[in-house]
Amino acid sequence: QVQLVQSGSELMKPGASVKVSCKASGYSFTEYAMNWVRQAPGQGLEWMGWINTNTGNPTYVQGFTGHFVFSLDTSVNTAYLQISSLEPEDTAVYYCARGRTWTSSASYMDSWGQGTLVTVSS
Amino acid sequence: QSVLTQPPSVSAAPGQEVTISCSGGSSNIDVSWYQQFPGTAPKLLIYDTYKRPSEIPARFSGSKSGTSATLAITGLQTGDEANYYCGKWDTSLDTWVFGGGTKLTVL
Repeated sequence: QVQLVQSGSELMKPGASVKVSCKASGYSFTEYAMNWVRQAPGQGLEWMGWINTNTGNPTYVQGFTGHFVFSLDTSVNTAYLQISSLEPEDTAVYYCARGRTWTSSASYMDSWGQGTLVTVSS
Repeated sequence: QSVLTQPPSVSAAPGQEVTISCSGGSSNIDVSWYQQFPGTAPKLLIYDTYKRPSEIPARFSGSKSGTSATLAITGLQTGDEANYYCGKWDTSLDTWVFGGGTKLTVL
C-alpha cells in the first residue's frame, strides 16, 4: 500500500537549518507529484508548493520562497524539505502529500505523511 | 485569507445529518475534502467533488452547485468530530488552495 513516512520531530535554534524527509513506498515514486503543506499551531492547512518528482522542478507558493527548498533523492524514493535561517514563526507541523492528476482541474492529495513537528525556540 | 470559504464551525446531534459548504473559485474545477483529527495527518475523504476512496463510508458524500461544493455527513457519530478542509486547484491563480477549515462538533 502507498505510504509516506516522514522524519521525526525537530527542536531547532533560530538561525539554524533543518531538513525534513518524506520516504515513499508502495508506488512508482516518479509518477506522482509531491506536495508540502504547513500547519502552524492551531491553524489550518497551508500549501507551500510542490515538486515534480519526474523532473525535479520545484514550485513554491509566494511566501515560501527564499528559505524553503524542496529536493529529491529518487534512488531512495525520498522527498526533502529544507528550511534555512529558521525563525520562531516557522514552528509548525510540515506534511508531505502525494498529488494525483496534479495541476489539472481534478487535482487532489490522496496520501499524506504523518507530519513532522519543527519547533524553533531559543 | 483562503480563496475557498468554509464556515468555521458546524454542529449536530448523533444520528443527524450535517453539511459543510465550500465556496469560491471556478465552477468547473473539482473539489476534494479532507478530514483531520487533532494531532494527526489529514485524510482524503472525497475527490473529484463526488467520489469516495474505497475505505471511506458512504455516510460521507460530496456535491456541488455553481461555485459552491458541499460535504454531507449522515448518521453522525461522535467519532466524526474533526476538522474538515476543502481544496482545489485554482486555475486562475495556477495554484492549489485550501479552505480555512470547519470544526465539526457532534453534540
